[in-house]
Amino acid sequence: NAGVMQNPRHLVRRRGQEARLRCSPMKGHSHVYWYRQLPEEGLKFMVYLQKENIIDESGMPKERFSAEFPKEGPSILRIQQVVRGDSAAYFCASSRGGDRLHQPQHFGDGTRLSIL
Amino acid sequence: ELKVEQNPLFLSMQEGKNYTIYCNYSTTSDRLYWYRQDPGKSLESLFVLLSNGAVKQEGRLMASLDTKARLSTLHITAAVHDLSATYFCAVLMYSGGGADGLTFGKGTHLIIQP
Repeated sequence: NAGVMQNPRHLVRRRGQEARLRCSPMKGHSHVYWYRQLPEEGLKFMVYLQKENIIDESGMPKERFSAEFPKEGPSILRIQQVVRGDSAAYFCASSRGGDRLHQPQHFGDGTRLSIL
Repeated sequence: ELKVEQNPLFLSMQEGKNYTIYCNYSTTSDRLYWYRQDPGKSLESLFVLLSNGAVKQEGRLMASLDTKARLSTLHITAAVHDLSATYFCAVLMYSGGGADGLTFGKGTHLIIQP
């Protein structure tokens, strides 16, 4: 199965620790998007990356959150010094490059982050 | 700022009935999506609507788009229990500056009872 792969599926952290969420896009996809979903809410856009570049991070909190998509390896969403309010499901999506208006985003199964 | 509003947010209906979910958005958009999400699962793409008057159907679900009214509908015909899920609409607004993230509605929690 060459779908969007996220790991871990579930992550538990204590307040103040760091959380690292990984996303491997679908084969052939070079665009990655991260979204956050709070309980009973829709997904909120966080960041859009291409290989080695952050294209749009308008949805990222200004502090503690960062994202990267290196030349080799998965995209990483990093949350430093986590707080209870960071508890959410984090979804990654990927799309093919080129004419992005005609490229659908395919979603991974998400990482459920719980902060104790 | 692009806003996407769905209604209703909660819907309980009986099998065999018809119903419509509405999705309004606040600014001109290039594309509208409908997704389905089962509890604890990811989002499954249902429909992509590209132009005014677009209508797509898959089984008991039919989606339409009116770009002038900035309204999309998801119509359920003769509902069956398997359609119980949360349905999201999402809008893509291509700004030309690389802002390609989708803006989602809050979702419609649909429960279909036997």
